[in-house]
Amino acid sequence: QSVLTQPPSVSAAPGQKVTISCSGSSSNIGNNYVSWYQQLPGTAPKLLIYENNLRPSGIPDRFSGSKSGTSATLGITGLQTGDEADYYCGSWDSSLSTWVFGGGTKLTVL
Amino acid sequence: QVQLVESGGGVVQPGRSLRLSCAASGFTFSSFGMHWVRQAPGKGLEWVAVIWYDGSNKYYVDSVKGRFTISRDNSKNTLFLQMNSLRAEDTAVYYCARDGRGYSYRANWFDPWGQGTLVTVSS
Repeated sequence: QSVLTQPPSVSAAPGQKVTISCSGSSSNIGNNYVSWYQQLPGTAPKLLIYENNLRPSGIPDRFSGSKSGTSATLGITGLQTGDEADYYCGSWDSSLSTWVFGGGTKLTVL
Repeated sequence: QVQLVESGGGVVQPGRSLRLSCAASGFTFSSFGMHWVRQAPGKGLEWVAVIWYDGSNKYYVDSVKGRFTISRDNSKNTLFLQMNSLRAEDTAVYYCARDGRGYSYRANWFDPWGQGTLVTVSS
């Protein structure tokens, strides 16, 4: 049972938009930044979004992040088959003094 | 370019020890906090531990407290994870990752990640 809650899977057609939710509490998302990671099959995770909504250099603007209260959302527009991956949210938990990840969401581009 | 290379994984019997290393290059290692994150086969990511850039503080996930120790050698640009009293549930790919912000006493984000090293705990 992960501290942060994500849907196990989402799917959409190529070219469409999808959102992935990440729900937490005041001890993590509510009072700390959220980051998002993409893990393509068989590879190490890669940073997609940091500090709620900032993209590292090299990440296309098709990827976006937002936060409201104790929840965060990753948005992906113009879906491509190459976006099929597992996506994880994460945040520091001030009560646990540990970093926490969501359980991960598998994106299928139909 | 910034690079992290883990080593030290392998097959180990329950109750034994293993030490993982993470060699860093392409950045000022001593300026960044460092993390270990693991992923059991077919499962999600689990954060394991962090050490601040100057080694002044360390935090662990509850499941490894008292068994695992994170450390660093800033003179050798290397991060370590000493794993004692290993259990079957410690079987995972272990990734090292750099914290996203230099000179920080917080866990911020992870970038980049190493390629991972597989630890299998089995008799």
